[in-house]
Amino acid sequence: EAQVTQNPRYLITVTGKKLTVTCSQNMNHEYMSWYRQDPGLGLRQIYYSMNVEVTDKGDVPEGYKVSRKEKRNFPLILESPSPNQTSLYFCASSPGQGSYEQYFGPGTRLTVT
Amino acid sequence: GQNIDQPTEMTATEGAIVQINCTYQTSGFNGLFWYQQHAGEAPTFLSYNVLDGLEEKGRFSSFLSRSKGYSYLLLKELQMKDSASYLCAVRSPSGNTPLVFGKGTRLSVIA
Repeated sequence: EAQVTQNPRYLITVTGKKLTVTCSQNMNHEYMSWYRQDPGLGLRQIYYSMNVEVTDKGDVPEGYKVSRKEKRNFPLILESPSPNQTSLYFCASSPGQGSYEQYFGPGTRLTVT
Repeated sequence: GQNIDQPTEMTATEGAIVQINCTYQTSGFNGLFWYQQHAGEAPTFLSYNVLDGLEEKGRFSSFLSRSKGYSYLLLKELQMKDSASYLCAVRSPSGNTPLVFGKGTRLSVIA
């Protein structure tokens, strides 16, 4: 089944404890992206990647890192999480940037205390 | 700059027709998407418009006017399962953020 998977789905952590949210897609998509979704603010793009070893900042990249060493994986790294990073995170992929729809993962609900 | 406006909430009756509007001001335009998102779930693709006019797909249609920076999503024969948020997203051909989402419109379908 074609899908985007994220792990973990739920995470409660403490300020400053490094964490990684994994994202994997099995559709051989070139384009991958991370979003956060907050009430009243909608979906905002954190980082995106147009191919292996090619990443770029979205609207809200501060406090996050990403890597794209393989086509299928695009992990999101929070080196020192803070409470303002409590949010619902979505990973998405698409064949390319143009007219292609994005396929979203199921989401990761992160709480930083 | 990038700005996308949608109504925050709408309510409609089962079996009726509802139109959800989206206006945008972006630095360049390279297509507009509509996504549906049920509470707590991931967004799913509904439609894509890049040229002016109406795109019909079953009970859902989407319209675009590039000169007016305006789009709408039309839902016909509303069903209870259509209660969800509807997200308008604009693709810009340049800039740091290739895809910009509006805040979404929460639609409640009532009996």
